[in-house]
Amino acid sequence: KNEVEQSPQNLTAQEGEFITINCSYSVGISALHWLQQHPGGGIVSLFMLSSGKKKHGRLIATINIQEKHSSLHITASHPRDSAVYICAVASNQFYFGTGTSLTVIP
Amino acid sequence: NAGVTQTPKFQVLKTGQSMTLQCAQDMNHEYMSWYRQDPGMGLRLIHYSVGAGITDQGEVPNGYNVSRSTTEDFPLRLLSAAPSQTSVYFCASSYGGQGINEQYFGPGTRLTVT
Repeated sequence: KNEVEQSPQNLTAQEGEFITINCSYSVGISALHWLQQHPGGGIVSLFMLSSGKKKHGRLIATINIQEKHSSLHITASHPRDSAVYICAVASNQFYFGTGTSLTVIP
Repeated sequence: NAGVTQTPKFQVLKTGQSMTLQCAQDMNHEYMSWYRQDPGMGLRLIHYSVGAGITDQGEVPNGYNVSRSTTEDFPLRLLSAAPSQTSVYFCASSYGGQGINEQYFGPGTRLTVT
């Protein structure tokens, strides 16, 4: 049983395209996190949100608590956005999705 | 600030050997945790600590031991390594444990057990 499901698993986009990654979860949460894992393996936190919407540069994250769903959007995608994007929810513990592998082609 | 540091970066063990993965943070974070990352699976919580002297089990604790004698350090011990423990291990820390604070991850340790 997966508490967190992400889609798509893999995504290839042309530079400049608008990208959406989806995350659905099945448990009650205190917050949802979006993480980025670089090709070298390091993991950095992009967003933490418990309601509404947050924006940082070209990245936008939204969450709908009633529908237990979050989306991560990347506007004007760039090859340096190529990475694995991981959704994680904070419940009684952290649960992680398996990640979405994004490749942006110049 | 160095953030969260982990050593070693790579390690190869033979079945039955023991070793300790080191994790340290210099941000005075209360909450520290260990995860393993396996292909096709999300990160899974092994053990966590909400402060010095306090540890608890996560989702996959078997075969691992932890201690938290100081706020800064949170070592993970493999008692008798098994091939099933081949994985990438990440240490993380945050101000609080309720998940409402940003998590900071170490660079990871890639462990192979033969």
